[in-house]
Amino acid sequence: NAGVTQTPKFQVLKTGQSMTLQCAQDMNHEYMSWYRQDPGMGLRLIHYSVGAGITDQGEVPNGYNVSRSTTEDFPLRLLSAAPSQTSVYFCASSYSVRGRPDTQYFGPGTRLTVL
Amino acid sequence: KQEVTQIPAALSVPEGENLVLNCSFTDSAIYNLQWFRQDPGKGLTSLLLIQSSQREQTSGRLNASLDKSSGRSTLYIAASQPGDSATYLCAVSRNTGNQFYFGTGTSLTVIP
Repeated sequence: NAGVTQTPKFQVLKTGQSMTLQCAQDMNHEYMSWYRQDPGMGLRLIHYSVGAGITDQGEVPNGYNVSRSTTEDFPLRLLSAAPSQTSVYFCASSYSVRGRPDTQYFGPGTRLTVL
Repeated sequence: KQEVTQIPAALSVPEGENLVLNCSFTDSAIYNLQWFRQDPGKGLTSLLLIQSSQREQTSGRLNASLDKSSGRSTLYIAASQPGDSATYLCAVSRNTGNQFYFGTGTSLTVIP
């Protein structure tokens, strides 16, 4: 049972490039989410999904896209990278209890630098 | 929007001391509250989850309490150890919506 896995661990991009951060979980969790963590600002929700085929925006969705074609995978796409997107990105998953997320399990994170 | 605050931002205690970490939130209509631990350069590890109907949860040396009416939760760590050194974060979900709102964390150092 690998839990929540994220790839890559580190990435450096140039402004304007696009890329996809990968997230997978093997716990059959319905709820998955992406956060970014910046110094002094805590974790902020980018996008989340309550099940395959269903996604919604969080607090800071601009510049990011998501899709959820399977229960296991929830990739995050940066459309045109900007220096303001330099951050540590975390993926999380949880069971859904009565349609609401329960205990969240986090991946190890992806450190992204945009030059 | 739910605002979550954790004070102090940093705390240093000698080994063996009992300590309390604080988490306050502005909207008392919460669904649940979760405490996490984060080691430097690592992801978050769940410690305890309290449902809105509960007053406290315990796991080993950890005890988390919840007072919705005052918008506060505390994480009590008994007999602290150097291995407890980490950043502790709380996150709150509201009755409406599916989002968790995080505090900025308390960085704990336990001195041997």
